[in-house]
Amino acid sequence: SYELTQPPSVSVSPGQTARITCSGDALPKQYAHWYQQKPGQAPVLVIYKDNERPSGIPERFSGSSSGTTVTLTISGVQAEDEADYHCQSADTSGLVLFGGGTKLTVL
Amino acid sequence: EVQLVQSGVEVKKSGESLKISCKGSGYTFTSYWIGWVRQMPGKGLEWMGIIYPGDSDARYNPSFQGQGTISADKSTSTAYLQWSSLKASDTGFYFCARVAGDGYSYFDYWGQGTLVSVSS
Repeated sequence: SYELTQPPSVSVSPGQTARITCSGDALPKQYAHWYQQKPGQAPVLVIYKDNERPSGIPERFSGSSSGTTVTLTISGVQAEDEADYHCQSADTSGLVLFGGGTKLTVL
Repeated sequence: EVQLVQSGVEVKKSGESLKISCKGSGYTFTSYWIGWVRQMPGKGLEWMGIIYPGDSDARYNPSFQGQGTISADKSTSTAYLQWSSLKASDTGFYFCARVAGDGYSYFDYWGQGTLVSVSS
């Protein structure tokens, strides 16, 4: 079955750039979307359709796509960015799926 | 302002029934799909299914077929997720989320989540 694969964890120092990847065979044909989830809170959409940023999301959040991998990039990471990040896409039948999530730690 | 407000914490026993709710406001409830997403303790997000409140067309993740029924009441702008016989494995957080209206399957607004705890 189709899966989206994320690294379990990424660590970065404040002010550095964090890159979180998400891999899946259908990603060349399907958009990917990213959600930030802080402990005890609901997810928040931070990137949609590979690289679009919703209003209210800081410019330091960006997305990119290359082949079967999409990447969420957070430039100039701040302490408040520490959270779980989930990628999401859909397969060709419309089935929605999520990656396993990546815990971003700001050192 | 778009809001999805979910019902509160539920503590149940195996075999009991349950219906949790998600009330939408600030937009035309009948014009957007609503999805339900499960998050088991310490785990990732899992998509259970979606419903179009305009005509109650519901679609399920095959992995969750039989593990909850999705419905909607457009007169009250409320979506529901219900179980007829809970299992301990149903324990988790359940989020409702609005599917964006541009034709792509992503969720632009989320409810605050409902914790369901089922003991055996």
